[in-house]
Amino acid sequence: KQEVTQIPAALSVPEGENLVLNCSFTDSAIYNLQWFRQDPGKGLTSLLLIQSSQREQTSGRLNASLDKSSGRSTLYIAASQPGDSATYLCAVTRNAGNMLTFGGGTRLMVKP
Amino acid sequence: DAGVTQSPTHLIKTRGQHVTLRCSPISGHKSVSWYQQVLGQGPQFIFQYYEKEERGRGNFPDRFSARQFPNYSSELNVNALLLGDSALYLCASSLYSGGSETQYFGPGTRLLVL
Repeated sequence: KQEVTQIPAALSVPEGENLVLNCSFTDSAIYNLQWFRQDPGKGLTSLLLIQSSQREQTSGRLNASLDKSSGRSTLYIAASQPGDSATYLCAVTRNAGNMLTFGGGTRLMVKP
Repeated sequence: DAGVTQSPTHLIKTRGQHVTLRCSPISGHKSVSWYQQVLGQGPQFIFQYYEKEERGRGNFPDRFSARQFPNYSSELNVNALLLGDSALYLCASSLYSGGSETQYFGPGTRLLVL
């Protein structure tokens, strides 16, 4: 059974810092990995999707990497801003189906 | 373009009651999935439907059921509600059911069972 873990569970940083969020998964036979953002009480917004054959994806100040063999992904946020404060979730899909298995999330607070 | 919409936004029920949650996918999307998110945890997969057929089911009891209509909208039904069913219920849509598809989530329905 696939298990996804995110460390740390919560993170507080001053504005402007570069930061890394970690995601690990137990079964390396994934189809892809997605990073999502969730604002309090709201739905999920997809940030980046990395196919299993890819090593990384970039969007603006966000960069996500994937090391499938070691079961790890990182989300790098450059020059953090207070507006980045949210919960960040990673999720993997198994085989060709798109059932997502989520981690517990990292709650990020960026202080002005 | 409208995103994924869900109704109602909030709902309060008592134990033993029945609830129906509704989801309208993005126009043109044929796949709908349902997730349950308990406070402080990541979402848990409940069902996936594609072209009105069930394509996947998570580890939830038979009290949970769903269906997809010809216009690709979907309903999630939960019978005999328990306190532990209190959660944010999220619907996600994608064009197809394949693993390469980005899934787009709705704002969720927050269910409170008293």
